[in-house]
Amino acid sequence: SQQGEEDPQALSIQEGENATMNCSYKTSINNLQWYRQNSGRGLVHLILIRSNEREKHSGRLRVTLDTSKKSSSLLITASRAADTASYFCATVLQTGANNLFFGTGTRLTVIP
Amino acid sequence: DSGVTQTPKHLITATGQRVTLRCSPRSGDLSVYWYQQSLDQGLQFLIQYYNGEERAKGNILERFSAQQFPDLHSELNLSSLELGDSALYFCASSVFLAGVNEQFFGPGTRLTVL
Repeated sequence: SQQGEEDPQALSIQEGENATMNCSYKTSINNLQWYRQNSGRGLVHLILIRSNEREKHSGRLRVTLDTSKKSSSLLITASRAADTASYFCATVLQTGANNLFFGTGTRLTVIP
Repeated sequence: DSGVTQTPKHLITATGQRVTLRCSPRSGDLSVYWYQQSLDQGLQFLIQYYNGEERAKGNILERFSAQQFPDLHSELNLSSLELGDSALYFCASSVFLAGVNEQFFGPGTRLTVL
């Protein structure tokens, strides 16, 4: 399976702390995307990083990509209770269709 | 709101039955993707349509089929339902911008098979 794996599976932090989630994947990618899902609801696109990029920022989000290690990390700074959700990385392969291959997800709980 | 709509929101049915899930993509998006999210399999790609034609197939069972109509809405048909088909089914539509295919997800249909 080309599905990625995320680490940790669950993360619990205090409000104001930073949260870091890691994603590893198996095959060469065109881009990697991070999504957020609140409690079994729809997926919200957070950020996309292309295979030729190493780091990207969007508000309190920072994503890094290391294609040599086939890994990515998502950092959420100054976390808020409203950030409590599941976070998924998803890859688009370098060749083939444009469908997403999702990781297993990290369940983030931010304690107020 | 992503602009992608899915109906129904919830569906409860019995084993052996057949159901149809509907998806309307964002205005102007030609591609529709279907994904299944279950507890044991996670989020999996099922199938993609582009402007009415099947473009890519993932882990879609033979009991499942889909189509995209001329008005670009899509339907996912699930037949001979089993308990294990209980899951959240998402559709997404996409736009190709600057060499990247960004997907926008609908709110999902939660299917419960009893």
